[in-house]
Amino acid sequence: DTAVSQTPKYLVTQMGNDKSIKCEQNLGHDTMYWYKQDSKKFLKIMFSYNNKELIINETVPNRFSPKSPDKAHLNLHINSLELGDSAVYFCASSNADRGRWGYTFGSGTRLTVV
Amino acid sequence: GENVEQHPSTLSVQEGDSAVIKCTYSDSASNYFPWYKQELGKRPQLIIDIRSNVGEKKDQRIAVTLNKTAKHFSLHITETQPEDSAVYFCAASRWDTNAGKSTFGDGTTLTVKP
Repeated sequence: DTAVSQTPKYLVTQMGNDKSIKCEQNLGHDTMYWYKQDSKKFLKIMFSYNNKELIINETVPNRFSPKSPDKAHLNLHINSLELGDSAVYFCASSNADRGRWGYTFGSGTRLTVV
Repeated sequence: GENVEQHPSTLSVQEGDSAVIKCTYSDSASNYFPWYKQELGKRPQLIIDIRSNVGEKKDQRIAVTLNKTAKHFSLHITETQPEDSAVYFCAASRWDTNAGKSTFGDGTTLTVKP
């Protein structure tokens, strides 16, 4: 059973399009995150939700909008895609309320904007 | 906010040798320091972590040390094997209640030569 699953794994799209990435975790964790990994492998946090509540919203263009319908799901919608949005997007989860702060990452979504 | 510096950016060792990766952090309130290993094309995976009330932790061939006064922590891998080749990320985070996030270093690419 996959603990943190993301779909799609690969996404190739044209500039200006709108796309969504979905994430689901079956670990019973209460906190979920979106991280962006650029071509230099740097990992930067974008958003964090705890029990469906947005708790971290880094300096990210407002073209990026996260949504957490329940604590097991966290989606990322991106409007008006730009070339610079090309990266690998990782979803992660942790059990913050139980003091288990280490992340379990999803397998990533490689987004290529052409 | 937290700033994490990681050195070296690349490290090449001979199989059987030891490898050491060092990180410094800026926020003296940070209290959790995980290390992640990311193999090529895969997700980052938590390999060891340490909390601020502990100075050292060991798990088989890997160990982490923390110096809170100097605000630095290190990953030590002994008896390296080719399968240890990967990108290693340190991270620092300040956890109080549920509003924590990990700030990652820029990564160290470790190559173990057989």
